[in-house]
Amino acid sequence: QTVVTQEPSLSVSPGGTVTLTCGLRSGSVSRSYFPSWHQQTPGQAPRTLIYSTKTRSSGVPDRFSGSILGNKAALTITGAQADDESHYYCVLYLGRGISVFGGGTKLTVL
Amino acid sequence: EVQLVESGGGLVQPGGSLRLSCEASGFTFSAYAMTWVRQAPGKGLEWVSTISGTGYFTFHADSVKGRFTISRDNSGNTLFLQMNSLRAEDTAVYYCATAVDYGDDLDSYYYHMDVWGKGTTVTVSS
Repeated sequence: QTVVTQEPSLSVSPGGTVTLTCGLRSGSVSRSYFPSWHQQTPGQAPRTLIYSTKTRSSGVPDRFSGSILGNKAALTITGAQADDESHYYCVLYLGRGISVFGGGTKLTVL
Repeated sequence: EVQLVESGGGLVQPGGSLRLSCEASGFTFSAYAMTWVRQAPGKGLEWVSTISGTGYFTFHADSVKGRFTISRDNSGNTLFLQMNSLRAEDTAVYYCATAVDYGDDLDSYYYHMDVWGKGTTVTVSS
């Protein structure tokens, strides 16, 4: 069973920069996993931020950026704002139609 | 504007069945793959199933394989999830999402989720 790992929680100061990561319990994440990132505030539907490692979805501000850092996918938020306080989920595509979500990162802006 | 409206959720006993629907509007439905994702109470998101735009490819998570079936009606712009042999652990909010897909064969096929609906709640309990 493939396990996708994310930091359970992170915090950032308003205006600061934070990087969330998405890894594999066994192995390295590369672009071939087409990592994507999704934001979810409590009680709301998810919203897609980034797909195919670094492509921003329509309407997503450029302070959200995706990359590969070392052996993990990464989501960096630059100039964090109060309404960035959310859960963030990464998804890795394993091939042959199968996707797996990470456990999510709860981001606090304080 | 893309709109996805899920329906069909409710309370069902263990072992029972439900059929979820997702009515789509604002885009060319048949041109997009579609995905179901669920979220158990207080838990994270879990990919459930994906179907290609033509319906040629269908994929299911191991946790639902053999019990759930994804399908679509492109003439009616509607996605379905037939859920049989329901278990308590299937209790969740079920979201449908559009998915942009690529590739013509299984080895080259890839998709990513794009626009999400607001979800419908399924509760499996006696």
